[in-house]
Amino acid sequence: EPEVTQTPSHQVTQMGQEVILRCVPISNHLYFYWYRQILGQKVEFLVSFYNNEISEKSEIFDDQFSVERPDGSNFTLKIRSTKLEDSAMYFCAAGWASAPEQYFGPGTRLTVT
Amino acid sequence: GENVEQHPSTLSVQEGDSAVIKCTYSDSASNYFPWYKQELGKRPQLIIDIRSNVGEKKDQRIAVTLNKTAKHFSLHITETQPEDSAVYFCAPQKNPTGGGNKLTFGTGTQLKVEL
Repeated sequence: EPEVTQTPSHQVTQMGQEVILRCVPISNHLYFYWYRQILGQKVEFLVSFYNNEISEKSEIFDDQFSVERPDGSNFTLKIRSTKLEDSAMYFCAAGWASAPEQYFGPGTRLTVT
Repeated sequence: GENVEQHPSTLSVQEGDSAVIKCTYSDSASNYFPWYKQELGKRPQLIIDIRSNVGEKKDQRIAVTLNKTAKHFSLHITETQPEDSAVYFCAPQKNPTGGGNKLTFGTGTQLKVEL
């Protein structure tokens, strides 16, 4: 199974602050995704990213969210002004163009106080 | 959008028994059907998947069956062991040509295997 790593593992921030979550896919993944999981709930799709562009986004992914791949390897999710309800586990996932499988990173637990 | 439901929401079995979890979806365009296992505090881990042109797939103690007409697919675990205890999610996907499509996760099933 291809490995996807994420940093940090846990991020605590104050409401209104900006956070950047990082993902490092390995093995020539081409498609990247962000999902989030509020404690005790199901996993929810946020955004997919391909060829340096957003290919699809959900209703959750509003103007305070952004994604980029600044250096060709790291894939980042930025939340501009965090809210209490942004507290969740954020998972990066990666996959290939030729197959539907998606492989998840270990996640970043974001706590907004 | 896709509506995905799982039943049951919790399932408790004795070690060695079988467990079956059912996933019902609404979008008839879905054609890729994976199951993910998530242990407490860990990532969702892909354990088995099936494409729409296949009715059943088996991998050791786990299997997935698909009924595309009725729009449901099921996860079967035989000879359950304590390490099978986890939350299981189905996540059907529309995937016409390959990658790039979102997974729509079901509501999850908490499986507990008791000694």
